[in-house]
Amino acid sequence: EVQLVESGGGLVQPGGSLRLSCAASGFTFSSYSMNWVRQAPGKGLEWLSYISSSSSIIHQADSVKGRFTISRDNAKNSLYLQMNSLRAEDTAVYYCARDRPRVARGTFDIWGQGTMVTVSS
Amino acid sequence: DIQMTQSPSSLSASVGDRVAITCRASQSISSYLNWYQQKPGKAPNLLIYAASSLQSGVPSRFSGSGSGTDFTLTISSLQPEDFATYYCQQSYSTPNTFGQGTKLEIK
Repeated sequence: EVQLVESGGGLVQPGGSLRLSCAASGFTFSSYSMNWVRQAPGKGLEWLSYISSSSSIIHQADSVKGRFTISRDNAKNSLYLQMNSLRAEDTAVYYCARDRPRVARGTFDIWGQGTMVTVSS
Repeated sequence: DIQMTQSPSSLSASVGDRVAITCRASQSISSYLNWYQQKPGKAPNLLIYAASSLQSGVPSRFSGSGSGTDFTLTISSLQPEDFATYYCQQSYSTPNTFGQGTKLEIK
């Protein structure tokens, strides 16, 4: 079964750091580009970051540029999001999502179940 | 950034109804438009990609149309499991922005 499983969420104080992980299974992870998308409580979806299959290309939303870093380890079938200088407005469910192959980058065909990040003192 | 605007923001309908949700982009995005369904507490699910292509496993009652700046998601005959929130999203350029969502509720 094709699956993405996020972990690493939790409660963190403003200004703190957190590292999210996304474990992939059921497909050849190293062949796919990956993304992080978040959803604040009761709000819509916000794309955050993209990484190509070889990590050679990275894109980020302005809202997290300089604070969040996307990375991957193809040997471990894992995607990561290092989040620094966290703010209250970063409180959200964070999803990892796979880019659908053979279409334009930015089409998300497989999603994880999400991990909740709460930034509060 | 490209702004995506959906209408309506909410919609009440009955089982068996035909419904349409529209999405407008702030500039032309050709056919780089995707539709997702999200149920409460769950991750989004890709329904339509490239404006009109049905994702594998998605029922044929879902269809998409449009190009340029105006797009439509149509559900031909609503089923109980279709009551959810629907999002459009452009894959034309980074950042890949989403519409604000359309909540489809049971009348």
